Parts: sequence; structure tokens; C-alpha cells
Amino acid sequence: GDSVTQMEGPVTLSEEAFLTINCTYTATGYPSLFWYVQYPGEGLQLLLKATKADDKGSNKGFEATYRKETTSFHLEKGSVQVSDSAVYFCALNAGNNRKLIWGLGTSLAVNP
Amino acid sequence: GAVVSQHPSWVICKSGTSVKIECRSLDFQATTMFWYRQFPKQSLMLMATSNEGSKATYEQGVEKDKFLINHASLTLSTLTVTSAHPEDSSFYICSARVLGGRAGDTQYFGPGTRLTVL
Repeated sequence: GDSVTQMEGPVTLSEEAFLTINCTYTATGYPSLFWYVQYPGEGLQLLLKATKADDKGSNKGFEATYRKETTSFHLEKGSVQVSDSAVYFCALNAGNNRKLIWGLGTSLAVNP
Repeated sequence: GAVVSQHPSWVICKSGTSVKIECRSLDFQATTMFWYRQFPKQSLMLMATSNEGSKATYEQGVEKDKFLINHASLTLSTLTVTSAHPEDSSFYICSARVLGGRAGDTQYFGPGTRLTVL
């Protein structure tokens, strides 16, 4: 079945460091891919998305490119800030009812 | 745009009571809403898919008689936890799928409801 695999956390970085959170997927058909972020004590927010191969989603300095050849959608940011500390979830939607399939989430802590 | 609200944001209740959680899409219509449950430091678990005007579709292992879902309008879905017990304590999150466009492309999430059953 369809699935999403994220790198395990927690990830701890210093401010201004480069961030990569790996996400790979398996799916039949042509899913849309998403990154959601959950800040401490808050609900989920859509961070970025891509709907077809080679699309690049970007928002708040974060980027992810839909790579069909490697079935990946890695999240990157060139210079993280303390305010980026959160849990990041990779997800895809697929199937006739387009349910979201979730990764387990990666916790990021950015130290000043 | 695409704002989803949940009410209440937190609730504490005694064991055996029922609790209703509301999920509203504020600035768009949503034929489909989803209810999730999130355990500490874990991913989201889809509980059910709520379709306006029809019965909800529950995921395997979710008791439909315990978690009653009503999607009465295009902007409101409710989840009622009946006869709540301490093991039902969790963070409940709803999401709404935008009507129109590519079906199922994006879900927008509510801020969640923290339920604590004593």
C-alpha cells in the first residue's frame, strides 16, 4: 500500500545551520506531496506542497522538490532559526478517496 | 483563506460523560472533513472521514458507536466522544478538504482539541 517514510528525529541544529529532512514515499498513481509543520502547542499547518513530478514547493525559506525518479520529497532550508523548532510531517494523498498518508514526523530543535 | 476552527480548544471531563467537539470551515465550504487523533510524540491517526449529508466512514479499529460524527452542513462537522474514559484522553484534530479544484489536493487543519478524561 501507499506509505511515507521520514528520517527519524530528533534533529538538533544550531541557528543558521542547513536543514535537510528526508522523506521518501511509495504510491500507486500520481500522488500530491505535502509538508506540514506543527509548532509546540499548536495545530498542524500546511508548509508547502507539490502536485506533480519536478514541482518545487516553497514557503518561509523551506523548499522541497517532487522527485519521481527517487520517490522523494526532501525538505530543506538554508539557514534555520530558533522559531523553526517544531515537528515536521511529510504526507501524500492518493487513492480514490484521497486520504492523507502520513510520515511519523521529525522533531526539529534549533538552538541559539 | 482556508481557515478551520475547532471548539473547544481543550476540555476536561469526568469518566462516563460525553464530549462534543466542533469543527468549522470559516471561509470555504468543505464537503469532506477528516477527524484525527494524535498521541504524544506520534503521528496522526485518521479516525474517520466525514462527508456532508451522509454517514461517516470509519477507519478500521475505530468504534463508530463511541465516536459519533455528524456532518450537518458544508461548514460544520462534529465529533462526539460518548461515555468517555481516561484512555480516550488525546489530542483530536479535524481537517477540511477544499471544495472544488483537484479533489483532495489540500487539507486544512483545525488547531486541535485537547481532551482529558479524569
